[in-house]
Amino acid sequence: ETGVTQSPTHLIKTRGQQVTLRCSSQSGHNTVSWYQQALGQGPQFIFQYYREEENGRGNFPPRFSGLQFPNYSSELNVNALELDDSALYLCASSRQETQYFGPGTRLLVL
Amino acid sequence: QKEVEQNSGPLSVPEGAIASLNCTYSDRGSQSFFWYRQYSGKSPELIMFIYSNGDKEDGRFTAQLNKASQYVSLLIRDSQPSDSATYLCAVNPGEKLTFGTGTRLTIIP
Repeated sequence: ETGVTQSPTHLIKTRGQQVTLRCSSQSGHNTVSWYQQALGQGPQFIFQYYREEENGRGNFPPRFSGLQFPNYSSELNVNALELDDSALYLCASSRQETQYFGPGTRLLVL
Repeated sequence: QKEVEQNSGPLSVPEGAIASLNCTYSDRGSQSFFWYRQYSGKSPELIMFIYSNGDKEDGRFTAQLNKASQYVSLLIRDSQPSDSATYLCAVNPGEKLTFGTGTRLTIIP
């Protein structure tokens, strides 16, 4: 167990809806990164938050947005869901370079 | 050229043998290298990290890094059926981890 938790574990949405995914980082970790993993692929970097500020962003459109709170927990919001957003969403927390993943949220968009 | 490339496999290895997983990367500025194991339907689990050229051993696992050739490998000695999983190579050239597509390893009893 990494101490990183995510909720919900599974989610089903329809195209055009909005979704919020949540992550609690490991104690002592001030950095949270979010990744999208499509079936059969490696995780793709969405963005990273460090001390409540965005600290890097991958090649994802603006409808993917996030927040980090003072306790270092984080949210990933996705607006106007598309079918291709169906994937495993992973949160990873870190203090330095080594990232530890939570169990993920599996999102299905119908 | 992909940023991180791995043999997609699948790779089948008899129980007790050595499994060798390879990874190459394109960004010469990369400083940190990681191997994650991912069981089907689960999230990636960190196995090893390596920062310096050479070998790093942890139990049955050995990571090898050659920055001049831009490759990193993972050796698993005395392979066990529980080692059957997808192994992800990840490189950290900055704030993000860049992953390969993974190598699916099957240990045959």
